[in-house]
Amino acid sequence: NAGVTQTPKFRVLKTGQSMTLLCAQDMNHEYMYWYRQDPGMGLRLIHYSVGEGTTAKGEVPDGYNVSRLKKQNFLLGLESAAPSQTSVYFCASSPSGYQRAFFGQGTRLTVV
Amino acid sequence: GNSVTQMEGPVTLSEEAFLTINCTYTATGYPSLFWYVQYPGEGLQLLLKATKADDKGSNKGFEATYRKETTSFHLEKGSVQVSDSAVYFCALSERYGGSQGNLIFGKGTKLSVKP
Repeated sequence: NAGVTQTPKFRVLKTGQSMTLLCAQDMNHEYMYWYRQDPGMGLRLIHYSVGEGTTAKGEVPDGYNVSRLKKQNFLLGLESAAPSQTSVYFCASSPSGYQRAFFGQGTRLTVV
Repeated sequence: GNSVTQMEGPVTLSEEAFLTINCTYTATGYPSLFWYVQYPGEGLQLLLKATKADDKGSNKGFEATYRKETTSFHLEKGSVQVSDSAVYFCALSERYGGSQGNLIFGKGTKLSVKP
């Protein structure tokens, strides 16, 4: 049982390039989340989804877009990467708002 | 909006010492509360949770009680071990309303336990 899988695990981008991070879960969870983790800042919610076809903004959505076309996948896009987006990105999924979330292993992104 | 505030770290303790990590929250509805733990190089894992007022979550010797009157969910352990060294995150998730599903975290508290 794979759980939550993030692709890729590492990436280096040049300023202005675009990329998409993929999160896939095989637990049939309704809720999915994208976070960024920076030193001293904890996990900050970028966007989340409470079901297929839905998305909502979190605390730090600027510079990112998301899509949830299939229930099992949640994509995070960076249209024009900036050095401020250098971070570790975590995806998570949950059956509901009052049950535990399952986390992926993270994607370390560096923008130079 | 909703928020979670937890004590600043790092916290350094000797093995078998008592641990408290304070967590308070602000929420508009009826949140569920969680403690997650992150070991180096890994994603977050659920440590314990509580879904309503006065519930006590417990796991691996850790405990936390959902206190609605003080909007707190402090993490405690009576005797820490070196293997408890990690970063601990307090979190809340709204169960209903316009912010349903909004799962937010505190900044994390790094715990180091010395032999």
